[in-house]
Amino acid sequence: DGGITQSPKYLFRKEGQNVTLSCEQNLNHDAMYWYRQDPGQGLRLIYYSQIVNDFQKGDIAEGYSVSREKKESFPLTVTSAQKNPTAFYLCASSPGDRHNTGELFFGEGSRLTVL
Amino acid sequence: DAKTTQPPSMDCAEGRAANLPCNHSTISGNEYVYWYRQIHSQGPQYIIHGLKNNETNEMASLIITEDRKSSTLILPHATLRDTAVYYCIVRVEGKGGSEKLVFGKGMKLTVNP
Repeated sequence: DGGITQSPKYLFRKEGQNVTLSCEQNLNHDAMYWYRQDPGQGLRLIYYSQIVNDFQKGDIAEGYSVSREKKESFPLTVTSAQKNPTAFYLCASSPGDRHNTGELFFGEGSRLTVL
Repeated sequence: DAKTTQPPSMDCAEGRAANLPCNHSTISGNEYVYWYRQIHSQGPQYIIHGLKNNETNEMASLIITEDRKSSTLILPHATLRDTAVYYCIVRVEGKGGSEKLVFGKGMKLTVNP
């Protein structure tokens, strides 16, 4: 079935360690996004990419990095520079600007806990 | 993009219609209204969107007032599985990408048996 796969679902990390969250989609979508969600809050945009080999910072990009080497993949690295990394991370995709309907397709999320 | 206002929470009895309100008094003529929902610890799910006409799909109906300053999402026969946080969002169609969708705190709908 087509969809977005995030892994791992749960992740624990020690302070000072970098961690990479995986996001893969087989929907042939051009655009991909990373959001962060804290308890009881809405979603905040970290990074997004409208096309392969290109990406832009969202509202809270500090302490995060991404790459978009393949259309299907948009991994997110949470670096040690991120001061409050414990959160629920959501990846999404959409067909892209040319076919933009405003519909986002989300993965199941990755819950990161820093010990 | 215009801001939306939703009540923080709402209860509904199972089997009854759930009417979820949203105010967007500053909406512009070319801004669409989108609804998503998020079941606990899952990614948000698209429900429906519309511009000015009422819309219906297999999940819900969207009623937009004539002046477009408010809308109502209707779940015709709520089930326990409809318990979720519902987000009402407005954005300009085709302006930039879907990064323009702003997910606020939404409204928690609890469907009771």
